[in-house]
Amino acid sequence: AQSVTQLDSHVSVSEGTPVLLRCNYSSSYSPSLFWYVQHPNKGLQLLLKYTSAATLVKGINGFEAEFKKSETSFHLTKPSAHMSDAAEYFCVVSDLGVDSSYKLIFGSGTRLLVRP
Amino acid sequence: DTGVSQDPRHKITKRGQNVTFRCDPISEHNRLYWYRQTLGQGPEFLTYFQNEAQLEKSRLLSDRFSAERPKGSFSTLEIQRTEQGDSAMYLCASSRVGGLNTEAFFGQGTRLTVV
Repeated sequence: AQSVTQLDSHVSVSEGTPVLLRCNYSSSYSPSLFWYVQHPNKGLQLLLKYTSAATLVKGINGFEAEFKKSETSFHLTKPSAHMSDAAEYFCVVSDLGVDSSYKLIFGSGTRLLVRP
Repeated sequence: DTGVSQDPRHKITKRGQNVTFRCDPISEHNRLYWYRQTLGQGPEFLTYFQNEAQLEKSRLLSDRFSAERPKGSFSTLEIQRTEQGDSAMYLCASSRVGGLNTEAFFGQGTRLTVV
């Protein structure tokens, strides 16, 4: 079965400084990986996804993630944090279930705090 | 795209009562998913539909839970004899048919509080 581990439950940065949210995956085959963001009282929104076309994936709002097979990692980064980036971030892997069903397996989440 | 719509947004119920939630997926999406999210945790998979067929149910989905997707359009999730442990955010998502890298779109969820 596929799984993801988010290494930090909380990350705090100052506005204008880089952001690093860490994610490791476990997969028996080439994984499909995603990062979703959840702002308070809003639905989950896709930031980016890894499709094996390129190891460095660019997403919305200046975020990007690098797939490293040797390290089984898919860390999310942003060069300069903005106050509006404060939210919960989820690393996600998709999995095949019974009867060819599909499901997303979520990490436990990392809450990003941005200090003024 | 009008997005995934869930109704109601909030529900407060007394222990032992039955509740039903509705999800309207994006119109051309064949796949529909239900997830449950408790405070401080990531969403947990509950069940998956492809068109009207319910293809997988999580062990989290006890006999008190039932989900339907008649005609492959909207879906309902019913919880019978609610318990305080059922208090959570219930999320619905939909996606097109595709490979494992197909994006799922989420609704804003229904927050259930059992008192």
